[in-house]
Amino acid sequence: GAGVSQSPSNKVTEKGKDVELRCDPISGHTALYWYRQSLGQGLEFLIYFQGNSAPDKSGLPSDRFSAERTGGSVSTLTIQRTQQEDSAVYLCASSLHQGGGQPQHFGDGTRLSIL
Amino acid sequence: GDSVTQMEGPVTLSEEAFLTINCTYTATGYPSLFWYVQYPGEGLQLLLKATKADDKGSNKGFEATYRKETTSFHLEKGSVQVSDSAVYFCALCHGSSNTGKLIFGQGTTLQVKP
Repeated sequence: GAGVSQSPSNKVTEKGKDVELRCDPISGHTALYWYRQSLGQGLEFLIYFQGNSAPDKSGLPSDRFSAERTGGSVSTLTIQRTQQEDSAVYLCASSLHQGGGQPQHFGDGTRLSIL
Repeated sequence: GDSVTQMEGPVTLSEEAFLTINCTYTATGYPSLFWYVQYPGEGLQLLLKATKADDKGSNKGFEATYRKETTSFHLEKGSVQVSDSAVYFCALCHGSSNTGKLIFGQGTTLQVKP
């Protein structure tokens, strides 16, 4: 597609359930990022994938969070045993390749609400 | 660690007023600096960027100059329009990390009234 696509756009679930969030980056973009946007914490980096290299997981807040990127394209962010503090908008971004000057293109996000 | 600080909002201006949104950063080395904008109901979009000291980024009438001596990257526009109402985020990317991950400021909400 023309832009970064994320699904679902909204997700409401009960505390303790697992959730999966999907990101489809721009075709040809080798770098993929996940961020979280919440009222108390602003925009936070979660994880980064570049090609076949090991991902940078330094921003994941706990071991309940994990992500994978299959075939160098689509990525899935999984949150296990969700907690209310996980409520946030989860944003995915991609860029042509890694590097400090590369602009990142963001999806519209998944709004996650934990009841 | 690296960080970005933005002026707190909301900022409310009348149409055609001059806009400044302050942004300062703390980082080792020579980061790249960005302004992203989030219009109501839309995703984050890159507004402008600068990759080295004294560079000026510009787009849609907005400008920001990378000032290493004051570690600042203030966003300016000479005459705002109602359509500029949005949340503006200043961000840095640490060049030495080479991952491209962005560190964002808290965001500043701009409301422009007709």
